[in-house]
Amino acid sequence: DGGITQSPKYLFRKEGQNVTLSCEQNLNHDAMYWYRQDPGQGLRLIYYSQIVNDFQKGDIAEGYSVSREKKESFPLTVTSAQKNPTAFYLCASSPWARGFSTDTQYFGPGTRLTVL
Amino acid sequence: RKEVEQDPGPFNVPEGATVAFNCTYSNSASQSFFWYRQDCRKEPKLLMSVYSSGNEDGRFTAQLNRASQYISLLIRDSKLSDSATYLCVVGNTGGFKTIFGAGTRLFVKA
Repeated sequence: DGGITQSPKYLFRKEGQNVTLSCEQNLNHDAMYWYRQDPGQGLRLIYYSQIVNDFQKGDIAEGYSVSREKKESFPLTVTSAQKNPTAFYLCASSPWARGFSTDTQYFGPGTRLTVL
Repeated sequence: RKEVEQDPGPFNVPEGATVAFNCTYSNSASQSFFWYRQDCRKEPKLLMSVYSSGNEDGRFTAQLNRASQYISLLIRDSKLSDSATYLCVVGNTGGFKTIFGAGTRLFVKA
């Protein structure tokens, strides 16, 4: 079955620790995204990648880092520099079409990160 | 002003009711429009795309009014299973700038 997987589903982190959230897709999509969702708020874009070995900052990139070494994988690291990391993190992918952000995005099941 | 605004609700309706959600967007150059559904503590899933001519999928009808810059979603004959948060999503050209509204919460009660 084609889809997007994220792991772990729940993650607990102590203050000062870096953690990495996994995102894998087998949809053969070129573009991948990371969003953060806080209660009562819309999704906010952290980073996105259009092609392998290239990625761009979104609206709230501070305290986060990503890599895109393979088309299928787009891991997100939440660093200790992120002051309020407790949130629901969603990874998404979409096909690349004419360079526009007009394509449907398909989401993984998300990772809930809690800082203790 | 937020780029995409939705009434947060919640909307509490009985089964069988018709309910309508509206969404406004600020960028007149926006090119693509979607409604997503998000169940509690789950990921958003595409409900339907929204076209200028309007489109219908069973009990769901989406409309786009470019002149007034709003999008609507109409749900007829509401079911208990329609209870969820509905996200209005707007995409712009020139980059990966997809804006998600905060969502409208719907509760359908027996």
